[in-house]
Amino acid sequence: GQQLNQSPQSMFIQEGEDVSMNCTSSSIFNTWLWYKQDPGEGPVLLIALYKAGELTSNGRLTAQFGITRKDSFLNISASIPSDVGIYFCAGRPQGGSEKLVFGKGTKLTVNP
Amino acid sequence: SAVISQKPSRDICQRGTSLTIQCQVDSQVTMMFWYRQQPGQSLTLIATANQGSEATYESGFVIDKFPISRPNLTFSTLTVSNMSPEDSSIYLCSVVDGYEQYFGPGTRLTVT
Repeated sequence: GQQLNQSPQSMFIQEGEDVSMNCTSSSIFNTWLWYKQDPGEGPVLLIALYKAGELTSNGRLTAQFGITRKDSFLNISASIPSDVGIYFCAGRPQGGSEKLVFGKGTKLTVNP
Repeated sequence: SAVISQKPSRDICQRGTSLTIQCQVDSQVTMMFWYRQQPGQSLTLIATANQGSEATYESGFVIDKFPISRPNLTFSTLTVSNMSPEDSSIYLCSVVDGYEQYFGPGTRLTVT
């Protein structure tokens, strides 16, 4: 089945640093979604992308839908301790299925 | 965005017993899903809960083990039957609202 390759698997950064993570696929996606999951909680939707080339911001978060429709990235600027968590990318493959394909997640640790 | 609640939030169960998890949404939604998240892993789709008809299960998941009900457009249940320690996971309800997909807070199940 379709897979999303999410990298990096984990990141250890200092407070105030910028962060970048990405997801790639060998097939085309129609939608990209980025989620954050805190320990013991369900994933929370951060940003949704629907068009190739689309660049969308949500506060300090910026995500882009790749031109080839096979990748997406998420940037976090000026990280703060509450950014700690696991970030998942997810996408809806071309073909009309509503079912999301998930990346394996990026675990972010922010040192104060 | 849709607001999703799940009950129970967590439970510890004995091997061989069954647990029913409830999912309630604050608005009518067409697409509702159940996911499993094993410790330290990404999300795996169990099934699509179809209103008024049998759920559609993903490869590796069967109705006898994970019976699902969806009596209306705001409510669904997932039962984990004849549990074993391998069923210890977080179980998440999820809905599509527009083009976006939202998750409930999850039910953390531990099987002893």
